[in-house]
Amino acid sequence: DTGVSQDPRHKITKRGQNVTFRCDPISEHNRLYWYRQTLGQGPEFLTYFQNEAQLEKSRLLSDRFSAERPKGSFSTLEIQRTEQGDSAMYLCASSPQIARFSTDTQYFGPGTRLTVL
Amino acid sequence: DQQVKQNSPSLSVQEGRISILNCDYTNSMFDYFLWYKKYPAEGPTFLISISSIKDKNEDGRFTVFLNKSAKHLSLHIVPSQPGDSAVYFCAASSRGSQGNLIFGKGTKLSVKP
Repeated sequence: DTGVSQDPRHKITKRGQNVTFRCDPISEHNRLYWYRQTLGQGPEFLTYFQNEAQLEKSRLLSDRFSAERPKGSFSTLEIQRTEQGDSAMYLCASSPQIARFSTDTQYFGPGTRLTVL
Repeated sequence: DQQVKQNSPSLSVQEGRISILNCDYTNSMFDYFLWYKKYPAEGPTFLISISSIKDKNEDGRFTVFLNKSAKHLSLHIVPSQPGDSAVYFCAASSRGSQGNLIFGKGTKLSVKP
């Protein structure tokens, strides 16, 4: 299976703890996105990488959130001092860059379901 | 302020009939539109897309229509099958956003045998 993978699939944590999620994109996709989805809503954009460079962050991404993509392959999303409002599905997507300013189809992973108690 | 709106939270259709899911957008800069299907506890699965230079794109049972003047797009599924039952999300992006997708809230489609 060469799709986007995410780990873990589920995470339950206590308020105040730190959590880290991992995303492995489709190989050779140089764009990687993180989204968050809460109940009854569509996915909301968090941040975006082109290769190892983090090019855009949403206002939703507070200072407690940090994302990295150190070698331009897999990415991690860390949430520090988790709050109950962080409970959501965290989705990762990747896309190729066919042209410099192209908008390409994003392929999503299965997501990580975070529950903060 | 929602830029992509799916005004019908749910839709129920009989197997074999046509399903029509609707989506409206407000941002005239959007130039690429996608439909995703999502089953519970899974990530969205890409279905079909359309560029703003076209008004129709077809892939098997799925057809997307784009009406730029009305800022409206629709997804037609013909014939509908029970396995199509899922939540369908409309998404849009603009070239200047580097591909960040703006999603609607989704429409839950139920196809009854």
